[in-house]
Amino acid sequence: GAGVSQSPSNKVTEKGKDVELRCDPISGHTALYWYRQRLGQGLEFLIYFQGNSAPDKSGLPSDRFSAERTGESVSTLTIQRTQQEDSAVYLCASSSPGAGTEAFFGQGTRLTVV
Amino acid sequence: AQKITQTQPGMFVQEKEAVTLDCTYDTSDPSYGLFWYKQPSSGEMIFLIYQGSYDQQNATEGRYSLNFQKARKSANLVISASQLGDSAMYFCAMREYYGNNRLAFGKGNQVVVIP
Repeated sequence: GAGVSQSPSNKVTEKGKDVELRCDPISGHTALYWYRQRLGQGLEFLIYFQGNSAPDKSGLPSDRFSAERTGESVSTLTIQRTQQEDSAVYLCASSSPGAGTEAFFGQGTRLTVV
Repeated sequence: AQKITQTQPGMFVQEKEAVTLDCTYDTSDPSYGLFWYKQPSSGEMIFLIYQGSYDQQNATEGRYSLNFQKARKSANLVISASQLGDSAMYFCAMREYYGNNRLAFGKGNQVVVIP
């Protein structure tokens, strides 16, 4: 497809389990962003990739959160030992090189921790 | 550090009227880009308009225009001739050119268009 693809679209998990969220950016987009959006709230920055490296991980809320990107394409956000406060929509965005280019967003993964 | 501020409470707008959404920002980077996104109740993030810090003209895209006042560090979005489909959350965002390239968002403005 031509857009940013995220999977799964919905995920219900039990507290304490690990989850992996996947993002397929638009081909050729070297910049990739992960955000968390709690219900009715704004976008909370988590991590930014340029190529396969992550120059800014400052938004990851705890060491239970990690992310990686391989082949300058797919990225995976992993949450270990999930807690109820991790319930949110996780949004991924990608953009082509150049700070003036807009970011394109996926539809998000809605994570519910029960 | 980047900071984007959107402080207006939820807004009700009459159909066909114009609405202005406020956004102020703070950066020490001399070059940066400003973006506005729309998020309807379906949750998708839709890019609306972009303004570069060195652009001489205010950006316009159809019914959207950006009132860019660099000295005041404000980048207000103006939506003209509001339509019912404009009901959504609107987010202002900024990316620094020489900084860490993070795309940082404000907390958003809720707009409801009433017939």
